[in-house]
Amino acid sequence: EAGVAQSPRYKIIEKRQSVAFWCNPISGHATLYWYQQILGQGPKLLIQFQNNGVVDDSQLPKDRFSAERLKGVDSTLKIQPAKLEDSAMYLCASVTSGSNRGEQFFGPGTRLTVL
Amino acid sequence: SQKIEQNSEALNIQEGKTATLTCNYTNYSPAYLQWYRQDPGRGPVFLLLIRENEKEKRKERLKVTFDTTLKQSLFHITASQPADSATYLCALEGGSYIPTFGRGTSLIVHP
Repeated sequence: EAGVAQSPRYKIIEKRQSVAFWCNPISGHATLYWYQQILGQGPKLLIQFQNNGVVDDSQLPKDRFSAERLKGVDSTLKIQPAKLEDSAMYLCASVTSGSNRGEQFFGPGTRLTVL
Repeated sequence: SQKIEQNSEALNIQEGKTATLTCNYTNYSPAYLQWYRQDPGRGPVFLLLIRENEKEKRKERLKVTFDTTLKQSLFHITASQPADSATYLCALEGGSYIPTFGRGTSLIVHP
């Protein structure tokens, strides 16, 4: 089966600019996560979707970050305006349902550099 | 608040030996715990999941233990190879808890 797709792989922007990341999860996976991973740290959950509904966004900086999953398939994460501290890897993961629930399939990530 | 601790120092071992990585947690009662492998610049790759009612899980050269009394998981790689060199992340989830990852431990296997 095809894996989780993310684009772009790399992005360099200046502070105060906006940026958007795209994720296409594994077909049939209802749960989708966006994570932020700063160098040297573990992934930090930003938002969790179940189909097209938000399950948890308690750690999403809502003044500048937004995410949507309109048709319950692919998803976009946007930052506007970006700050220097947003430089990180942004990871998308999808989760199967049923007995294997919990196993997360990650995409290759988008490396964001904010100058 | 919930806290997950993994050794921040890299673990250096010789090829063929068993690598043992530790994950400790506090203020948490997870339903399950997972281990992932992450190579530089890439997304994590799932390795093993162990549930709160399981003590041990094995997959090929990998073994995970889960002690909910000690609030600790141990991850073992037997007959380690240089190709096993990577960062290993533990993650907890379940119940009302969102998925939470530790910062990972770097494993370096020397030939």
